[in-house]
Amino acid sequence: QQQVKQSPQSLIVQKGGISIINCAYENTAFDYFPWYQQFPGKGPALLIAIRPDVSEKKEGRFTISFNKSAKQFSLHIMDSQPGDSATYFCAASKASEKLVFGKGTKLTVNP
Amino acid sequence: NAGVTQTPKFRVLKTGQSMTLLCAQDMNHEYMYWYRQDPGMGLRLIHYSVGEGTTAKGEVPDGYNVSRLKKQNFLLGLESAAPSQTSVYFCASSYLTGNQPQHFGDGTRLSIL
Repeated sequence: QQQVKQSPQSLIVQKGGISIINCAYENTAFDYFPWYQQFPGKGPALLIAIRPDVSEKKEGRFTISFNKSAKQFSLHIMDSQPGDSATYFCAASKASEKLVFGKGTKLTVNP
Repeated sequence: NAGVTQTPKFRVLKTGQSMTLLCAQDMNHEYMYWYRQDPGMGLRLIHYSVGEGTTAKGEVPDGYNVSRLKKQNFLLGLESAAPSQTSVYFCASSYLTGNQPQHFGDGTRLSIL
C-alpha cells in the first residue's frame, strides 16, 4: 500500500519557469510533510517542510502548498534554475512514526 | 562536523558473498535508518533503530541484518548476497522519529554479479 503518491515521475522545465510537483496522501493522521532534494551521487537533504496548521510555507524560491481537505500537498519552484536539477521526494509522517516517502520526481531545468 | 558517513562508497560482490555496510553519525542522534534506492521505487526502509542496542524491521527487511552496538554506528549486513540486492544504500539518522529531519549519508553503491 503506497501511502504517499507523487507525480509526475519526471519533469522538464525551462530556465525561469515554474516547477510543480504534487503529492497525495491517504492517512489523515499525518502531521508532518517534508520535501527532500537529492543531487546525483549524493544523499537526500531536507529542503522544506510544512505542518497541517498552515496552508503555505515559502523559503526563497521554494513554496509548499498544503490542502488538508484534499489530502494533497505540492512543491512549487519559482524561477527554476539549472542548479535546481535534482530528484525531489515528498514524504509524510505522524508523531513518533517513521517517514513515508513518495517515489520521487526527477526535475531537469534546461538552460 | 562530518554528519552521516557511509563506508564503503562502492562495492562489487559475487552472488553468495557476504559483506557489511557501515554507517557512522556524529550528531548524537537516537534514531538511525537504512534505506535502499532503486529506479522508480523511491526510498524503501530496510531496518531502523530507535536507540543503542535496538533494531526493528522496515518495509523490505528480508535478506538483511543490522546491529546497533554503539549509538553512533549502525551496521547493515548481507549474509548471502543476491543480484536482487543490487542497489544504492543510504543510511540516515534523526534526533527523534516522525516529524524530525532525517540526515542522510551519500550512499553505498552495491553491485552483485
